[in-house]
Amino acid sequence: AQTVTQSQPEMSVQEAETVTLSCTYDTSESNYYLFWYKQPPSRQMILVIRQEAYKQQNATENRFSVNFQKAAKSFSLKISDSQLGDTAMYFCAFSLAETSGSRLTFGEGTQLTVNP
Amino acid sequence: GAVVSQHPSRVICKSGTSVKIECRSLDFQATTMFWYRQFPKQSLMLMATSNEGSKATYEQGVEKDKFLINHASLTLSTLTVTSAHPEDSSFYICSASDFSTDTQYFGPGTRLTVL
Repeated sequence: AQTVTQSQPEMSVQEAETVTLSCTYDTSESNYYLFWYKQPPSRQMILVIRQEAYKQQNATENRFSVNFQKAAKSFSLKISDSQLGDTAMYFCAFSLAETSGSRLTFGEGTQLTVNP
Repeated sequence: GAVVSQHPSRVICKSGTSVKIECRSLDFQATTMFWYRQFPKQSLMLMATSNEGSKATYEQGVEKDKFLINHASLTLSTLTVTSAHPEDSSFYICSASDFSTDTQYFGPGTRLTVL
């Protein structure tokens, strides 16, 4: 079975600064996907970024980028130029890659607060 | 990204009644949808996997007779909480898998309160 661990329950950052959220996972599979989802106070889950395990290049989406270390089973999220709207709960998630019907395994979440 | 709707957004019901929650994929077909439950300040807990045209697969510890799931079309899955009790009060979230992007997209959630 796969597990996902987020060891930082809460983090805070000043507006315009950079913050990194940590995530580690455990799996015996070689082909899988990793995700970061954001859940703001509205509680709508929003996909932030996605990484295929077979790709060595780290995914980036505007101010969001990941540091994917497959051997270390680590998948951290870096948010640059933090904005007040980035305040949310962030969940790291894992799924097997065979089909998109594969279940997601979530971490415990990290509550990020961006301070003005 | 793809859009998933959920209805209703909030529902309050009396103990012993049944409540139906709908989950729709609006701009893609989803052969697989998922139902989650989330308690305050906690992660999402998968309740069941809903497959179009077949029976849902429930996670261990989830009562299939209490949480009825129907996935009658490629764009609609429903969750019915039968004989609801106060302990069923929670936030229920659905997601739908988009095969074209191999990604799950989430509905906005339903807040269920059982009095």
